[in-house]
Amino acid sequence: NAGVTQTPKFRVLKTGQSMTLLCAQDMNHEYMYWYRQDPGMGLRLIHYSVGEGTTAKGEVPDGYNVSRLKKQNFLLGLESAAPSQTSVYFCASSYRTGGWMNTEAFFGQGTRLTVV
Amino acid sequence: AQSVTQLGSHVSVSEGALVLLRCNYSSSVPPYLFWYVQYPNQGLQLLLKYTSAATLVKGINGFEAEFKKSETSFHLTKPSAHMSDAAEYFCAVRKNSGGGADGLTFGKGTHLIIQP
Repeated sequence: NAGVTQTPKFRVLKTGQSMTLLCAQDMNHEYMYWYRQDPGMGLRLIHYSVGEGTTAKGEVPDGYNVSRLKKQNFLLGLESAAPSQTSVYFCASSYRTGGWMNTEAFFGQGTRLTVV
Repeated sequence: AQSVTQLGSHVSVSEGALVLLRCNYSSSVPPYLFWYVQYPNQGLQLLLKYTSAATLVKGINGFEAEFKKSETSFHLTKPSAHMSDAAEYFCAVRKNSGGGADGLTFGKGTHLIIQP
């Protein structure tokens, strides 16, 4: 049981290049999230998905797009990378239960992205 | 909107001493609160969560947290610090809006340093 797996682990991009980060979870979770982590800022939500085929904007969505074509996968795309997008990106998933409000999120190991 | 504030970006304690990491929340509804730990170059791991069943919550690795509504606090404690506790700690609250599936709001984190 791998949990939440992110690929790649590291990437260096030039300004203006595009890339896709892949997140896969094998826990059959309904909800999936993309966060970015910057020093002194904690984690901020970029986009999230409440089910296959649905996505929604989080706190800092500008410059990113997402897709969830399959329940187990959540892709984060950068169309034209900028230095301000240098960050560590975390994918997370969560599940629905009768008392779903107290369910925690499970995190991947992160992707360290540098845009030069 | 729900939010959390972590007091102290860095906390330093001696090995064997009490660990106290502070978290205050702001919420217009009963909050669902979480503590996560992040070891260097890793993802976030759940330490414990408050689910309203009990105000004193016990977590992994000897940590516990007490929910105090009168003080709007959810401080994390451990009686005796170990070198392996050195890490970044995040307090988080469920957003509790848009159906509740829109993720967690994180504090900015507290870096715990253990002095030998």
